[in-house]
Amino acid sequence: GAGVSQSPSNKVTEKGKDVELRCDPISGHTALYWYRQSLGQGLEFLIYFQGNSAPDKSGLPSDRFSAERTGGSVSTLTIQRTQQEDSAVYLCASPGQGTYGYTFGSGTRLTVV
Amino acid sequence: DAKTTQPPSMDCAEGRAANLPCNHSTISGNEYVYWYRQIHSQGPQYIIHGLKNNETNEMASLIITEDRKSSTLILPHATLRDTAVYYCIVRVDPGGYNKLIFGAGTRLAVHP
Repeated sequence: GAGVSQSPSNKVTEKGKDVELRCDPISGHTALYWYRQSLGQGLEFLIYFQGNSAPDKSGLPSDRFSAERTGGSVSTLTIQRTQQEDSAVYLCASPGQGTYGYTFGSGTRLTVV
Repeated sequence: DAKTTQPPSMDCAEGRAANLPCNHSTISGNEYVYWYRQIHSQGPQYIIHGLKNNETNEMASLIITEDRKSSTLILPHATLRDTAVYYCIVRVDPGGYNKLIFGAGTRLAVHP
């Protein structure tokens, strides 16, 4: 597609449940990034994909967080056994060509109650 | 960790130029400076980027000091819609790819 699509836009879940967040990047873009933004904070890098592999997972906060990408396109970020501190906006980005900036999706606002 | 420092907030009168400073004293020779902004409840929006030379586009101008240790984003005629958080970012290249490390940003308030 022309932009980065994320779904759902909002998700409320109970503590301890698993959630899946989806990112559909710009068509043909092989690189994909996930970021997290807690309330009132800047963006925190989570993971980088090149194709279907993730050479940089350094930002994943714990082993409850995982992500995959299939077909070099759609990516899913999974959070297992959610905790209240996982509440945040999760953003996906698809880089432009060369030295140009990333295009971000509108994010998924996750609330753990 | 972010490689940039910015003031947490600034004000600007509508129609005036907004000059947003950023310090990046540890920047490396091949690292670019990027600026993004984030309007409430939206994803960050790319504004401009540069390496050594000053840059201008339809949104803003970027002035980078000769020693590259600081830069200024200039919005020449600020409007109320420019109220947002502005992030100055150094793009790092860990090896074969790049990533943007965001700091806390500057919250710009444009008032009538």
